[in-house]
Amino acid sequence: EAQVTQNPRYLITVTGKKLTVTCSQNMNHEYMSWYRQDPGLGLRQIYYSMNVEVTDKGDVPEGYKVSRKEKRNFPLILESPSPNQTSLYFCASASSGTSGSEEQYFGPGTRLTVT
Amino acid sequence: GQNIDQPTEMTATEGAIVQINCTYQTSGFNGLFWYQQHAGEAPTFLSYNVLDGLEEKGRFSSFLSRSKGYSYLLLKELQMKDSASYLCAVVDSNYQLIWGAGTKLIIKP
Repeated sequence: EAQVTQNPRYLITVTGKKLTVTCSQNMNHEYMSWYRQDPGLGLRQIYYSMNVEVTDKGDVPEGYKVSRKEKRNFPLILESPSPNQTSLYFCASASSGTSGSEEQYFGPGTRLTVT
Repeated sequence: GQNIDQPTEMTATEGAIVQINCTYQTSGFNGLFWYQQHAGEAPTFLSYNVLDGLEEKGRFSSFLSRSKGYSYLLLKELQMKDSASYLCAVVDSNYQLIWGAGTKLIIKP
């Protein structure tokens, strides 16, 4: 089954404790992206990757890191989480990102709470 | 700046028709998406418009007017399972997606 998976689905952590949210897709997609979604706001892009070893900042990259060492994986790293990073996070992929016309496939989401 | 406007919430009756509007002001335009998102779940693709006009897909249709910076999603024969948020997103001149905040649609029996 074609899908995007994220782990963990739910996470409660404390300020300053490094964490990684994994994202994997099995569709051989070139483009991958991380979003956060907060009440009353639209999806906001954190980072995206057009292909292996190519990553770029989105609209809200501060406090986050990513890597794209293999095509299928795109982990999101919070080196020192803070309460304002409490949010619902989605990973997404698309066949390519060059034209913007491809639909994005989203993972199930990771609900992160930082206390 | 770039801006996408959608109503925050709409209510409709099962079996009826509802139109969800989206207006946008972006730096360039390379297409417009509609996604559906049930509460607590991931967004799923509904439609993509890049040319003016109406595209129909079953009970759902999407319309685009590039000159007016306007799109709508039309849902017919509403079912309870259509209760969800509907997200409008525009592809800008850099081929990046700009997302609206979404419209929460409540269907009543």
